[in-house]
Amino acid sequence: DTGVSQDPRHKITKRGQNVTFRCDPISEHNRLYWYRQTLGQGPEFLTYFQNEAQLEKSRLLSDRFSAERPKGSFSTLEIQRTEQGDSAMYLCASRSDRANQPQHFGDGTRLSIL
Amino acid sequence: AQSVSQHNHHVILSEAASLELGCNYSYGGTVNLFWYVQYPGQHLQLLLKYFSGDPLVKGIKGFEAEFIKSKFSFNLRKPSVQWSDTAEYFCAVRGSSNTGKLIFGQGTTLQVKP
Repeated sequence: DTGVSQDPRHKITKRGQNVTFRCDPISEHNRLYWYRQTLGQGPEFLTYFQNEAQLEKSRLLSDRFSAERPKGSFSTLEIQRTEQGDSAMYLCASRSDRANQPQHFGDGTRLSIL
Repeated sequence: AQSVSQHNHHVILSEAASLELGCNYSYGGTVNLFWYVQYPGQHLQLLLKYFSGDPLVKGIKGFEAEFIKSKFSFNLRKPSVQWSDTAEYFCAVRGSSNTGKLIFGQGTTLQVKP
């Protein structure tokens, strides 16, 4: 169990730029989640993949956000035309399909918009 | 809509003091409940989880939580805290969605003074 890996750890960009984050889940975990966490708040659900299928998207995920998991392994989250309000920690989590299993979280990518 | 409420935003205790962090959720169906901890600079880690059975759940590092269905509560307890328990604590519920997404509370920052 090598844990959930996220890259980069920190991204600083100017408003209006596009950014892409990567998540490598624990191998053999076919369920993958993206969350967003702002200062002083708990993580908020963004989207969910089962294998390569994106099965749920939160209303928080505006049209500027897109997520993919092309081969059912790693996932990417892209934000286009970033805005100040996108500054947050973006967390990825994965879990197996077995019953009663918890989600395992990565260290997150902290996005700072200048 | 499901929600989770953590009553204490910031708790300061001395070492050896007892801890109880409140968590209430709003959902009338079958729920799975979790407490996650985030130590400074680290990722979210699972402290304990409740799926069914004994409502008193024991987790890692001497933590426990009690599920009281009639009160929609899942409070976290530890009889004697240590300085190393300084962290942010999040209560979460996994409920009606087949995706297994988690709904988090806003978190409680625990500061333990040596």
